[in-house]
Amino acid sequence: SSELTQDPAVSVALGQTVRITCQGDSIRSYFPTWYQQKPGQAPVLVIYSKNKRPSGIPDRFSGSSSGNTATLTITAAQAEDEADYYCNCRDNIGNLHYLFGTGTKVTVL
Amino acid sequence: QVQLLESGPGLVKPSETLSLTCNVSGDSISVSTTYFWGWIRQSPGKGLEWVGSVFHDGSTFYNPSLESRVTIFVDTSKQQFSLRLKSVTAADTALYYCARHTAVAFDRWGQGMLVTVSS
Repeated sequence: SSELTQDPAVSVALGQTVRITCQGDSIRSYFPTWYQQKPGQAPVLVIYSKNKRPSGIPDRFSGSSSGNTATLTITAAQAEDEADYYCNCRDNIGNLHYLFGTGTKVTVL
Repeated sequence: QVQLLESGPGLVKPSETLSLTCNVSGDSISVSTTYFWGWIRQSPGKGLEWVGSVFHDGSTFYNPSLESRVTIFVDTSKQQFSLRLKSVTAADTALYYCARHTAVAFDRWGQGMLVTVSS
């Protein structure tokens, strides 16, 4: 079955840049979307259509993709960026089926 | 501001049917031809899993791994959509979120409702 794979955890020093990757065949066909989830909260959309940000999301969040890999970049990470991040895209083997990545825990040191 | 709120029993016995409803305010389900209305679940300490979605006209799309047990339907007059998951087991214990989404992004989420499957 289709899947989206992420590294389980990554850490970044305060003010530095962190890149979170997501791999899967569906990314070749559909732009990935990214969500931030803090403990005890619902996920929040941070990047959609590869590199668009909803209103209210800081511009330090950006997205890109190439081949079967999508990347979420947080430039000059802040303490409040510590959270779990999930990628998401449509499944390329079904009509309007969706996949979520395995999630990456970002720790800001 | 669109708001979604899940409701339903927090405890379901094994082999029975899980039933949840999502009430939508600040947007009209019947008018929103751009949006789908979906359910996503998150097992304790685990990642997100899309369960299925419904369009305003009642068209449904289900996760293939759950399709044999899932029904999602919409009641536009009540501004709500609902999830039914039959023959539940402990593996269905999860935080269930309802969400609004386009073809590419889930842009509004409910707060989530924990459903525990236990006798």
